[in-house]
Amino acid sequence: GAGVSQSPSNKVTEKGKDVELRCDPISGHTALYWYRQSLGQGLEFLIYFQGNSAPDKSGLPSDRFSAERTGGSVSTLTIQRTQQEDSAVYLCASSLQGAGGNTIYFGEGSWLTVV
Amino acid sequence: DAKTTQPPSMDCAEGRAANLPCNHSTISGNEYVYWYRQIHSQGPQYIIHGLKNNETNEMASLIITEDRKSSTLILPHATLRDTAVYYCIAVNYGGSQGNLIFGKGTKLSVKP
Repeated sequence: GAGVSQSPSNKVTEKGKDVELRCDPISGHTALYWYRQSLGQGLEFLIYFQGNSAPDKSGLPSDRFSAERTGGSVSTLTIQRTQQEDSAVYLCASSLQGAGGNTIYFGEGSWLTVV
Repeated sequence: DAKTTQPPSMDCAEGRAANLPCNHSTISGNEYVYWYRQIHSQGPQYIIHGLKNNETNEMASLIITEDRKSSTLILPHATLRDTAVYYCIAVNYGGSQGNLIFGKGTKLSVKP
């Protein structure tokens, strides 16, 4: 597609269950990012991929959070044993590789509610 | 990445120019200034970016001071749909770096 695509757009899950969130970046974009935003809060960086490797995982809040990227394209963010504080919108973004001035484009997010 | 400082909120009358300031006094020579905006909790929308020179596109103009310690985003004719949180971000895209660190931004309210 023309933009960053995320699925599901909305997910309600019970506390303790695992969830997977998917991101399809813009075709040809080698850099991929995950952020999350809790209600009324700012954007929190989670992880950054360059190709299939993740040079920066510094934002993952706990070992319940993991992400992978295969084929230099689709990425999956997995949250294990979900907690209520995991409720947020999870935003994916992508950009072209290269030094200097590459614009990051965001998807519309996956809204996660843990009940 | 350089820290940016923005006023928490601003008002603007519909049809007038909205001038949103950003201070980035510790910016380094290879850091770009990027502006994004977020309407409600939609995904942030890219507006414009620049390094040294002033930039203009169909959405806005970006004025960067000569010493690069501050910049101003200008929406020439603000509409009600421009009501959003505007983020100014300074980031180095060299090598394996590149994630955007968002601050709290400026909440712009465009009023009729």
